Amino acid sequence: GAGVSQSPRYKVAKRGQDVALRCDPISGHVSLFWYQQALGQGPEFLTYFQNEAQLDKSGLPSDRFFAERPEGSVSTLKIQRTQQEDSAVYLCASSFPGHGTDTQYFGPGTRLTVL
Amino acid sequence: DAKTTQPPSMDCAEGRAANLPCNHSTISGNEYVYWYRQIHSQGPQYIIHGLKNNETNEMASLIITEDRKSSTLILPHATLRDTAVYYCIVRPGGGANNLFFGTGTRLTVIP
Repeated sequence: GAGVSQSPRYKVAKRGQDVALRCDPISGHVSLFWYQQALGQGPEFLTYFQNEAQLDKSGLPSDRFFAERPEGSVSTLKIQRTQQEDSAVYLCASSFPGHGTDTQYFGPGTRLTVL
Repeated sequence: DAKTTQPPSMDCAEGRAANLPCNHSTISGNEYVYWYRQIHSQGPQYIIHGLKNNETNEMASLIITEDRKSSTLILPHATLRDTAVYYCIVRPGGGANNLFFGTGTRLTVIP
C-alpha cells in the first residue's frame, strides 16, 4: 500500500522567507511525528500529533517553527523567517498505536536549504 | 539522552552475515529494542523490534541477551543494498513515543 509521502522533496529558501512542508501519512494512522535531521546526524524529534491534537511539541527549536494537523490526517510543518541553521532534512513518520507499542513508518523527507 | 551505544562503523563482505552490536545497559523493563536503518537520501526504514525474546522476520534477526543489556542485529546474507546507517533505539511500550536515534552504525557491504 501507499506509504508516507512528503512534499516538496527539495526546497531552497532565502534567509527570512517562510516555508511550508507537507506530510501525507499512511491512511488510518492516528499518530504523526516530525523529525529534523542535520547533515551527518541522526533524526531528532520535533513534535507529535495524535489525530488533530498536538500532544508534544517539546522538540521544536524555536517559536518560528509551527506544525498543524487540522483534520487529523495531512500535516504541515511551517518555518517562519528561515535561518541558515534551519537547513536540514525534515522527516515525517506515522503510526497506528497497537498493543504494547507502535512502529513508526517514515516518509522520504524534505531537504530544506536556506541560503 | 543517549540510551544506546553502537560502534560508529563496520564493514561486511557481500554474502556474509552482518552482526551489528548494541549496548543498552540502562534499559528498563518496559522498554523495547527497535532497529531502523537509513539508506543514503532516504527516510529511516523499520527493520525489527523485540522486548526480551529473540525475533526474526524477512529482513533480519534480533538477538537480545538474557539480562537485556545488549542486543545484536543479524543480517544473514548481506547485499550491497544493505549498505546504510543502522540505528538501535530503546523506547517504552504502551503507545506512541518518539524515537531517539543517536548516531548509529554505518555498515558498508563490500563486494
